[in-house]
Amino acid sequence: GAVVSQHPSRVICKSGTSVKIECRSLDFQATTMFWYRQFPKQSLMLMATSNEGSKATYEQGVEKDKFLINHASLTLSTLTVTSAHPEDSSFYICSADSGLNTEAFFGQGTRLTVV
Amino acid sequence: GEDVEQSLFLSVREGDSSVINCTYTDSSSTYLYWYKQEPGAGLQLLTYIFSNMDMKQDQRLTVLLNKKDKHLSLRIADTQTGDSAIYFCAESSSGTYKYIFGTGTRLKVLA
Repeated sequence: GAVVSQHPSRVICKSGTSVKIECRSLDFQATTMFWYRQFPKQSLMLMATSNEGSKATYEQGVEKDKFLINHASLTLSTLTVTSAHPEDSSFYICSADSGLNTEAFFGQGTRLTVV
Repeated sequence: GEDVEQSLFLSVREGDSSVINCTYTDSSSTYLYWYKQEPGAGLQLLTYIFSNMDMKQDQRLTVLLNKKDKHLSLRIADTQTGDSAIYFCAESSSGTYKYIFGTGTRLKVLA
């Protein structure tokens, strides 16, 4: 199946700093990528839909100025958590679709810890 | 909005069958999926079913879909300790790969 690579897998940052997470489709082009967030022992919640070449579409309650999404190419979307706080500590996971399959392909996830 | 519910916990003995249930509200769901998540890890797609199907079997896994009741189940035959994980159902609507995930069921397999 298609491969989606997410980097880094783990990151620890200080409160107030920004962190960038990358999501790459390695062997296919993805016009759309999705970013999810998973708090400990909870389900995955869709944060935003990342559209190549246009602005991301954010779900209700997700601050677009805090979670900056850039989808500059057909194989890369980035999520930047700006001015991170401990409550932003979570598991962030992306998915991408080629438009040709029945399912989206998920990255391995990034565990963000803000101290 | 759409809602996908699962029971939180299930405990079974090794060798028994496990049945994990899921209910959803979105009648426009096209595909329904089952994912497995082990501690600290990402998602592993187990199987999926198209909304016009009633059943799908894949080795130890059997998916049943009752579209009228909006009920989906995953049966794992001969459950093993390696099956211990959290299982998520998810649904998507036609033309989109945007997933709505269920609340997750933590399966514990007792040796």
